[in-house]
Parts: sequence; C-alpha cells; structure tokens
Amino acid sequence: NAGVTQTPKFRILKIGQSMTLQCAQDMNHNYMYWYRQDPGMGLKLIYYSVGAGITDKGEVPNGYNVSRSTTEDFPLRLELAAPSQTSVYFCASRPGSPTEAFFGQGTRLTVV
Amino acid sequence: AQSVTQPDIHITVSEGASLELRCNYSYGATPYLFWYVQSPGQGLQLLLKYFSGDTLVQGIKGFEAEFKRSQSSFNLRKPSVHWSDAAEYFCAVGASQGGKLIFGQGTELSVKP
Repeated sequence: NAGVTQTPKFRILKIGQSMTLQCAQDMNHNYMYWYRQDPGMGLKLIYYSVGAGITDKGEVPNGYNVSRSTTEDFPLRLELAAPSQTSVYFCASRPGSPTEAFFGQGTRLTVV
Repeated sequence: AQSVTQPDIHITVSEGASLELRCNYSYGATPYLFWYVQSPGQGLQLLLKYFSGDTLVQGIKGFEAEFKRSQSSFNLRKPSVHWSDAAEYFCAVGASQGGKLIFGQGTELSVKP
C-alpha cells in the first residue's frame, strides 16, 4: 500500500529557480491538499482540489500554482523560489467529506 | 470561513499525569473535527475524529476528545501520559460543505520523567 507519495524528500533551490513538488495517491481519493509547515505556525493550507480539473486556493496560495489533471496526481509548482518558501511541504488526500486525510511523508525545501 | 485555534503552543506534563489539549474552532455549520499527532521528523497520524453523534469520541493510544458545540471546542484528553506521547498535536476542522480542511498552530507536548 503506497498511500500518498511525495517526491522529492529533500531539495535545495536557489532564489529565482522553479521546481515542481510531486504528489501521487493510489487510493482513488477525490480530495487532495497541499500544506506547508513552519515552526510554531502549524500547517497552512496552500491549495486543495475536490476532483480532477477542480482546484481552489487555501490560506497561503501566493507564489504557488497547482493543477489536477488526474485523480491520482496533484503537483505543486513554485515558479520563482524565494527564501520565504523554505518550509516542509505536506501533501494529503481523502475520499471526500466527512473522512479523515492521509498524509505523505513531506518534502523539506530550502531556498538559498 | 473556518478557523482553528490551539491556545497552548507548548505544554509540559509529568509522566503518569493527565493531559488536556485545547482546541477552539470557528465554522458556521456543523464541523468535522480531527486530532492528529506528529512525532519529530514524521508525517501526521490521525488520533481521532468527530463527524456526528456521540460528542465524546475515543481514539487510538488511549486518547479521547469531547465536542462541545456551545463552546466551539474539541479538547483532547488522556488520563495518564506516557513518555512516548511526547510529540506535536494538531487540531483540524473540515468543512461540511466543500473540501476545505484547516489546521491549528499545533501544541508541542513534552513529558517529564
């Protein structure tokens, strides 16, 4: 059972570079989420999706983009990396509402 | 808009003592409520959830939580804390309409021997 898989696990970016954080789930879940976790700030919702082709902004969407072309994949795109985007990023999925979310192991991103 | 507040950033309890972690939420309709635990360097694990029905819910590892609609609270409790309970605990509220799932700031629990 793979569950929610995030790649890469670690990444160092230079300011201004771009990258895509990958998230895939094999549970046929409709809902998917991206969060960032900073010390003392908890998890902040960046974007979420309730199905293929449908995405919506969360609490902190600036500087990020997402797409959801398939049920399985929900990549997060950083176009112009900034030091403020240094964080741990978590992807999660759940079948629908009301159900609990299942989390990936996270991606630790450092922007220097 | 939904929101979650965990008033205590850090709590220290002695091993064997009881524990209560506070969670207050804001949501206009019936909320779906969750508690998750995160050990250092790990992902998040669900402790328990409330959707409807009995307002006292039991979870894993001996944890329970009580939903109090009048106080907009969903506090987590454990009668006797073990050293292995040291971790960060997150409360979350899910919208009953739409898919938004919002987390609180987290409470870090330390356990004294």
